[in-house]
Amino acid sequence: GAVVSQHPSWVICKSGTSVKIECRSLDFQATTMFWYRQFPKQSLMLMATSNEGSKATYEQGVEKDKFLINHASLTLSTLTVTSAHPEDSSFYICSAGEGARGEETQYFGPGTRLLVL
Amino acid sequence: TQLLEQSPQFLSIQEGENLTVYCNSSSVFSSLQWYRQEPGEGPVLLVTVVTGGEVKKLKRLTFQFGDARKDSSLHITAAQPGDTGLYLCAGASGSARQLTFGSGTQLTVLP
Repeated sequence: GAVVSQHPSWVICKSGTSVKIECRSLDFQATTMFWYRQFPKQSLMLMATSNEGSKATYEQGVEKDKFLINHASLTLSTLTVTSAHPEDSSFYICSAGEGARGEETQYFGPGTRLLVL
Repeated sequence: TQLLEQSPQFLSIQEGENLTVYCNSSSVFSSLQWYRQEPGEGPVLLVTVVTGGEVKKLKRLTFQFGDARKDSSLHITAAQPGDTGLYLCAGASGSARQLTFGSGTQLTVLP
């Protein structure tokens, strides 16, 4: 299957700093990527839809100024957690779809563990 | 808002036992995917079911999509410790790329 990578896999930062997470589709192009947040032993919560060349679409309750998304190319989307605080500590996962529209399969990255001290 | 309810939420069984995980919704999905996720990793796709009534088998795992495409089940035969993980169902609607995820089932298979 298709491969999606994320970088970094782990990040520890001080409260108030910004953290950038990259999501790449390695062997296919993705006009749309998705960003999720996951708490321990819980399911994935969709944060936003990243659209190549246009603004991201955020889910209700997700602050767009807090979680900046940039999808500048067909293989790269970035999520920047601005002025991170301890409550932002979580597991962040991205996905990208491969296949014809309506028949896509979503492939997930390995996730990024963020710990804000 | 589309919701997918998964049950049970937690399941702990002995090696060799069989189990079934259910995924139910009041909404119709064009396809439904099952994923398995291990701690600290992203979900890994197990199967996609598209046709109502479809049954797919993957070794000891049997997946079924309901006739009305509103529900699905995952049956594991003779569970092994390596089957331990978080099982997630996710539904897609129409041409939308966005997935609706179930609440997840945390399976632990004890040796």
